[in-house]
Amino acid sequence: DIVLTQSPATLSLSPGERATLSCRASQSVSSYLAWYQQKPGQAPRLLIYDASHRATGIPARFSGSGSGTDFTLTISSLEPEDFAVYYCQQRSNWLLLTFGGGTKVEIK
Amino acid sequence: EVQLLESGGGLVQPGGSLGLSCSASGFPFSSYAMSWVRQAPGKGLEWVSSVSITGGSTYYADSVKGRFAISRDNSRNTLYLQMNSLRAEDTAVYYCAKWGISARFLDYWGQGTLVTVSS
Repeated sequence: DIVLTQSPATLSLSPGERATLSCRASQSVSSYLAWYQQKPGQAPRLLIYDASHRATGIPARFSGSGSGTDFTLTISSLEPEDFAVYYCQQRSNWLLLTFGGGTKVEIK
Repeated sequence: EVQLLESGGGLVQPGGSLGLSCSASGFPFSSYAMSWVRQAPGKGLEWVSSVSITGGSTYYADSVKGRFAISRDNSRNTLYLQMNSLRAEDTAVYYCAKWGISARFLDYWGQGTLVTVSS
């Protein structure tokens, strides 16, 4: 089974700063990686799919990159509403999913 | 507008059963695979189960295999999760989610329903 490892577990930053989140897969997932944002008490929201494509309505300050085993989610300039938990996800065979453990972006 | 509305959560004793439903609207339900994902209190996301477009293929996490059953009724635009032999570690918010057209990610999620397994 493919394992997704996210780092760091917590990122403490100030509004306006750049956030760089990492997701590493235990084996290649090609470009089939997605990123989700989850705020307290809310359902996850799709941000990025296929490693680098922004989902509908997602602001341009969110970008994704990477392929194979190493992926990055970048938030170019943090807005107050961006402080949340972020998860990466890959699809292995058929309709089986794996999520990373999450990175919490908190206000410094 | 895509909407997914879960129902059926609640308090159940260990060893008991519970059935969840997810009512879908705003998209052609019969054209998309669907999944259940859960989140234990204070923990991360855990995929539980997926079902194909027709319902003919189902997939389960090892943690629920043999105890949970996913199904769908395309005539009613509804997804189901039957949970049997429930354990304390099944306590979580259960989310219904729709797969994107490429079937590589979940593009819409419901708000979730809380299942608590406790005596």
